[in-house]
Amino acid sequence: NAGVTQTPKFRVLKTGQSMTLLCAQDMNHEYMYWYRQDPGMGLRLIHYSVGEGTTAKGEVPDGYNVSRLKKQNFLLGLESAAPSQTSVYFCASRLTTGARTSTDTQYFGPGTRLTVL
Amino acid sequence: DQQVKQNSPSLSVQEGRISILNCDYTNSMFDYFLWYKKYPAEGPTFLISISSIKDKNEDGRFTVFLNKSAKHLSLHIVPSQPGDSAVYFCALRGRSQGNLIFGKGTKLSVKP
Repeated sequence: NAGVTQTPKFRVLKTGQSMTLLCAQDMNHEYMYWYRQDPGMGLRLIHYSVGEGTTAKGEVPDGYNVSRLKKQNFLLGLESAAPSQTSVYFCASRLTTGARTSTDTQYFGPGTRLTVL
Repeated sequence: DQQVKQNSPSLSVQEGRISILNCDYTNSMFDYFLWYKKYPAEGPTFLISISSIKDKNEDGRFTVFLNKSAKHLSLHIVPSQPGDSAVYFCALRGRSQGNLIFGKGTKLSVKP
């Protein structure tokens, strides 16, 4: 099992450019998440998905769009990048059986470091 | 307003001694309290959690304590090892969707 993988690992964009970050998981997890982490800040939820074909907004959704066309993939898009979107982006997935247990937790990818000039 | 606060950005401890990391929260809409560990250039990894109905959970060198009346969570690492040097995030899981709210993290340095 590769777990959660993210592509690319690093990217530099110019203001106004667009790009898509890809997250893939091979654990057959239902839920997937996109977070951003900025210096001195915790992880903040951008968007999440509770299953294939569904998406929902998190704490900081503005400037981002997402799609979950396949259960194993969760894409994060930036249509017109801004310097304020310079950050490290983490994807996570979660199995969730509906019975809230201690094992119902999130597994994270290694992150994508994005710089917008 | 922050729902989860880790007031110590950093902590330095001698190898073999106890490390105590703290986390405070403001409301009771959470069913699980978790600690994640993060090394540089890696994603966070789950370390230990505690249910809102418990006050202590232990896993090897790691123990998490929950004081619901004080809305306070702590992680004890005994004995601390240099490999424990990392950033530790507390995270609270919401009762409804199960989404996590993270603190800002505490950077632990364990000196040999």
